[in-house]
Amino acid sequence: DGGITQSPKYLFRKEGQNVTLSCEQNLNHDAMYWYRQDPGQGLRLIYYSQIVNDFQKGDIAEGYSVSREKKESFPLTVTSAQKNPTAFYLCASSSPGQGLYGYTFGSGTRLTVV
Amino acid sequence: KNEVEQSPQNLTAQEGEFITINCSYSVGISALHWLQQHPGGGIVSLFMLSSGKKKHGRLIATINIQEKHSSLHITASHPRDSAVYICAVSAGGATNKLIFGTGTLLAVQP
Repeated sequence: DGGITQSPKYLFRKEGQNVTLSCEQNLNHDAMYWYRQDPGQGLRLIYYSQIVNDFQKGDIAEGYSVSREKKESFPLTVTSAQKNPTAFYLCASSSPGQGLYGYTFGSGTRLTVV
Repeated sequence: KNEVEQSPQNLTAQEGEFITINCSYSVGISALHWLQQHPGGGIVSLFMLSSGKKKHGRLIATINIQEKHSSLHITASHPRDSAVYICAVSAGGATNKLIFGTGTLLAVQP
């Protein structure tokens, strides 16, 4: 079945370390997104990519980096510059088919900085 | 003021009750999404609406484009419906990014 795979589900990181979250989709979607969720807040956009080898900053990109070398993969690196990295991270993809934009979501990665 | 507002923030119901969660938005949209998130889990897309009404099992979603308002109804609620329900709007256009509400935490008690 087609879908989005995020790994790992839970991740612990020591303060000052970089960590990379994986997101893979086999839906042939052009666009991919990374969102962050904090308690009591709606999900906020970190980065998005509409095509291979191109990506754009979202609303809260500071302290994060991404790459889009393949259509199916959009990894997110949380760098040591991110002040409050503990959060739930969600990857999504979309395709502009049939006049409406359908979204598919991953199962998320919960990152905890220890 | 958030661009997407949900109410209520928390909702407790008894099994079998009819439940309504509301969503209002202040931006132009191409579609509105209702999402479900279980504790510690990922997000499942329930509905995507651009007009009218959709039904899936015991779930019904409606949208009024003129009033910029949507509702999610759950009929004959069950404890397994306990989750966070999130309203999100897609502005369409080049980015098609989603703008999310803060969610409604629903607890259905047996």
